[in-house]
This record gives sequence, C-alpha cells and structure tokens, in this order.
Amino acid sequence: AQKITQTQPGMFVQEKEAVTLDCTYDTSDPSYGLFWYKQPSSGEMIFLIYQGSYDQQNATEGRYSLNFQKARKSANLVISASQLGDSAMYFCAMRDGGATNKLIFGTGTLLAVQP
Amino acid sequence: DVKVTQSSRYLVKRTGEKVFLECVQDMDHENMFWYRQDPGLGLRLIYFSYDVKMKEKGDIPEGYSVSREKKERFSLILESASTNQTSMYLCASSLFYRGSGNTIYFGEGSWLTVV
Repeated sequence: AQKITQTQPGMFVQEKEAVTLDCTYDTSDPSYGLFWYKQPSSGEMIFLIYQGSYDQQNATEGRYSLNFQKARKSANLVISASQLGDSAMYFCAMRDGGATNKLIFGTGTLLAVQP
Repeated sequence: DVKVTQSSRYLVKRTGEKVFLECVQDMDHENMFWYRQDPGLGLRLIYFSYDVKMKEKGDIPEGYSVSREKKERFSLILESASTNQTSMYLCASSLFYRGSGNTIYFGEGSWLTVV
C-alpha cells in the first residue's frame, strides 16, 4: 500500500535560516508524483512544489526546493531564508499510480518561524 | 482565476442531523474529491468522483455518502451526524489527465462541529 510519512510533528526555525522538512514515501508504482502543500491557519491548501518520479533534476520554486532521493524514497522540502510568513502546517503528498489524481497525504509538520 | 468553492465555512450541527457539504468548481474538471483533516492524521480521502454520477470510496467512507449530479458540483452527505465527524472537510478538483505540478485545486475548507 502507498504511504507518506512525515516524522516531524513540529519544528522551530530562526528567521532567515534554512529549514528541511522530512518526507518519506512508499510505493510499488514506478510512476508517481510528489507534492508539498502549505496550509496557513486560514485553512487553504497552497501548492508549493512538485516532483515527478522520472524527473532527473530536483524541483525548485523560488525559496522552495525538493531534495528528491529516489533510492531512499525521500522527498524532503527545503525552505531557504525562512520568513515569518512561512509559519504554517506543511503537508507532503503523493499521487497514486491511477489516472484519478488522487493524493495520499502525510500527517503534516507544523513549522514556526521565530524572529 | 481557478476556483473551488465550498458553500459553508463554519457549521454547527446536532447529533443525528443530516448534513450537506457542497462544493462547486468552475474549471470543468472531471475529478472531484472530499478529504477530511484531523490533527495528527493529516488529510484522509473520504470519496472521489471521476465523472457525473460516478463515485468511488476513499479510505474512510463510513458514515458518509456523496452525490454528483452535475459536473461542477460534488456534495458530501452525513446521513446522521455524529460527534466523531467533527472535523475540517476539504474539497478538491482536478482534470482527469494527470499532468504535473499544480493540477489539483482545493477549496478553503469547511469546519464542521457536531454537538
């Protein structure tokens, strides 16, 4: 069965420092996609970054990068130069091998950026 | 601008009431999803639909049903609400074609309290 694991329930980071949020996944499907979402206290899910299983390079989007290690089945999110507005819940998710775009989510990591 | 709209942001219902959560998307998407979000559990898929009148159970369908009579609207129904259904409910939609990246759109969530 497919599974996403986020082992850090909560994390602190100082403003302007980099932080890594961990995500490991399990799937037997050779084709899959990995997503990171940010959820502020307002509840909306904000898409951050995507990595396809066949992508050769690690995905980057502005201050966000995804450290994709396929052999280790990990897809860690790196946020560089943290800002106070980065304080939120972060979810790692995987799209399954079917055609439905169904996402399987991890349990989330609550990030608090300290001034 | 793409839009997934959930009809109610906050609801308080009594045990045993029938509850309808409505979701409308304006992107002509084939797929629509209902997730439930609970602390420490992340988002869990309740039901999804890949076409009008088509539906499939997700991971936690017990106590819920869905209706999709029109392509743009996907309703989640709690036939007899119970206190353990107090949660935040998120609707999402996507094209049938998997694509990549930001192809799955979320509503703002509905906070349901059952008393």
